[in-house]
Amino acid sequence: NAGVTQTPKFQVLKTGQSMTLQCAQDMNHEYMSWYRQDPGMGLRLIHYSVGAGITDQGEVPNGYNVSRSTTEDFPLRLLSAAPSQTSVYFCASVEHHGQKETQYFGPGTRLLVL
Amino acid sequence: DAKTTQPPSMDCAEGRAANLPCNHSTISGNEYVYWYRQIHSQGPQYIIHGLKNNETNEMASLIITEDRKSSTLILPHATLRDTAVYYCIVRGANQAGTALIFGKGTTLSVSS
Repeated sequence: NAGVTQTPKFQVLKTGQSMTLQCAQDMNHEYMSWYRQDPGMGLRLIHYSVGAGITDQGEVPNGYNVSRSTTEDFPLRLLSAAPSQTSVYFCASVEHHGQKETQYFGPGTRLLVL
Repeated sequence: DAKTTQPPSMDCAEGRAANLPCNHSTISGNEYVYWYRQIHSQGPQYIIHGLKNNETNEMASLIITEDRKSSTLILPHATLRDTAVYYCIVRGANQAGTALIFGKGTTLSVSS
């Protein structure tokens, strides 16, 4: 049981380049989400998905796309990277038990956009 | 979600119990108390959660006061690997689409 995995661990991009951050979970959770973490800003929700084929925007979705073709995978795409997207990106998989919620985070992808 | 207040930092000697307090005086009846931690350069890690009863798992214990206005996370035998930022979060049900609000947390430093 690997939990939540993310690739790559580190990435350097030039402005305007595109890339996909991969996230996978093996816990069969329906709900997955993407956050970014910047110094002094806490975690901000980018996009989330409540199940395969269903995605929705969080609080900072601009510049990012997501898709959810399977329960396991939830990739995040940067269409045209900008320096403002330099950040640490965390994927989370969420377990719901009645009204209780537990979020399991991946190890993160550190992205630098030059 | 209710607001929480935590001390900015705490120190603990290795092998001793670390008791991390959290105030959440505006908590409502259906909101749970969650604790997460983030070790430097790693993703946040779930520790424990509770509603009104005390809870214990393999990582920690959670003591919630009877009026639910405060709680304490207890790491019974702290190790150097427990050095991290600890976040107390109050969160209700049906929060899909809303971010987990981590706040500033408590930086716990465990030393030998």
